[in-house]
Amino acid sequence: GQQLNQSPQSMFIQEGEDVSMNCTSSSIFNTWLWYKQDPGEGPVLLIALYKAGELTSNGRLTAQFGITRKDSFLNISASIPSDVGIYFCAGHQSNAGGTSYGKLTFGQGTILTVHP
Amino acid sequence: NAGVTQTPKFQVLKTGQSMTLQCAQDMNHNSMYWYRQDPGMGLRLIYYSASEGTTDKGEVPNGYNVSRLNKREFSLRLESAAPSQTSVYFCASTPWRGRGTGELFFGEGSRLTVL
Repeated sequence: GQQLNQSPQSMFIQEGEDVSMNCTSSSIFNTWLWYKQDPGEGPVLLIALYKAGELTSNGRLTAQFGITRKDSFLNISASIPSDVGIYFCAGHQSNAGGTSYGKLTFGQGTILTVHP
Repeated sequence: NAGVTQTPKFQVLKTGQSMTLQCAQDMNHNSMYWYRQDPGMGLRLIYYSASEGTTDKGEVPNGYNVSRLNKREFSLRLESAAPSQTSVYFCASTPWRGRGTGELFFGEGSRLTVL
């Protein structure tokens, strides 16, 4: 099946540092999404991107939908301890008829640890 | 708001036992999903239900069955549990039917261990 390659697999950073992670695919997606999973919880949507080239911010988070539609990146600026968790990219691909049922392909996740 | 509620949160089974994971959402969403999460594998889709009365296989359906009982509830059944089904299971829902955008709402997860 389709696969998303997410990197890095894990990051250990100091509070205040900026973070960057990315996702690449061999397939084209119509939507790229970034989710965060806190320990013991389900993933929560952070940012959704709908157009190639789109750059979207949500507070300290910035994400971009790659021009080729095969990649996306997420940046976190000035990290804080509560940024700890697993970050997942996900791609959504509608079929030719434009119908879809929310079937996402997920990356393997980036585990972020922030040292105070 | 409760959102997506899963039960049980933890379960230990012996090989060959059966069990059902329950999921309910109170957001009037049309589509519901069951994922499993394993270390280093991301989230993999087991089954989904685009709307009440329909179900379809995802990426890893073997060993599982599902029932969309009504618009609110979507259950996942393991008929004969195997150690390979040790995982964390997530139920999710989305309001969209048809032109979905992937904006899923997840439950808190059910951690299953099969001995």
